[in-house]
Amino acid sequence: SQTIHQWPATLVQPVGSPLSLECTVEGTSNPNLYWYRQAAGRGLQLLFYSVGIGQISSEVPQNLSASRPQDRQFILSSKKLLLSDSGFYLCAWEGSPGSSYNEQFFGPGTRLTVL
Amino acid sequence: GNSVTQMEGPVTLSEEAFLTINCTYTATGYPSLFWYVQYPGEGLQLLLKATKADDKGSNKGFEATYRKETTSFHLEKGSVQVSDSAVYFCALSDRGNNRLAFGKGNQVVVIP
Repeated sequence: SQTIHQWPATLVQPVGSPLSLECTVEGTSNPNLYWYRQAAGRGLQLLFYSVGIGQISSEVPQNLSASRPQDRQFILSSKKLLLSDSGFYLCAWEGSPGSSYNEQFFGPGTRLTVL
Repeated sequence: GNSVTQMEGPVTLSEEAFLTINCTYTATGYPSLFWYVQYPGEGLQLLLKATKADDKGSNKGFEATYRKETTSFHLEKGSVQVSDSAVYFCALSDRGNNRLAFGKGNQVVVIP
């Protein structure tokens, strides 16, 4: 069966520090991968998605970036964090055999607090 | 473009009450529709789905019917439990663009 992992689970970082969040998927190949952010008390905002290695689409201009160095690995990064980057970051995958069309499956999330 | 609208505000109700959360959508073509649930501190879990008009998705006592004529996918449960307290998101997928459009979510609080 397919599983999705995110780490770290929680992170507290100072303003201006770098960021690296990692997401990996097991049990599938060539999935579409997604990064979302959920600010406190708000809905989901799609940040990036990827349909293959090295292919990244950015949805919202900001100081974050994403990379996909391997088929089942998706990384969210920043060179300098802002206070407004605080939130709950969710990774998701879609497209594995056995899943319904366009159905996405979410990881457990990373809670980021920027101080 | 595609969009999903959920009713405003949290929903608070007593245990064993009937729950309805409204969801309407705007889309071109024939989207698939989903309800996701998010328990406190966790990621989203797929609750149910419907991929074509008149389909009824159901899971854990929750139901939603894909109504093309009213562009709606309302979530219902006949008798809620405290463990149903969570945030519920309605979502739509458009086969053309690899993305889900999410509603803003509704916080549901069930009081014993």
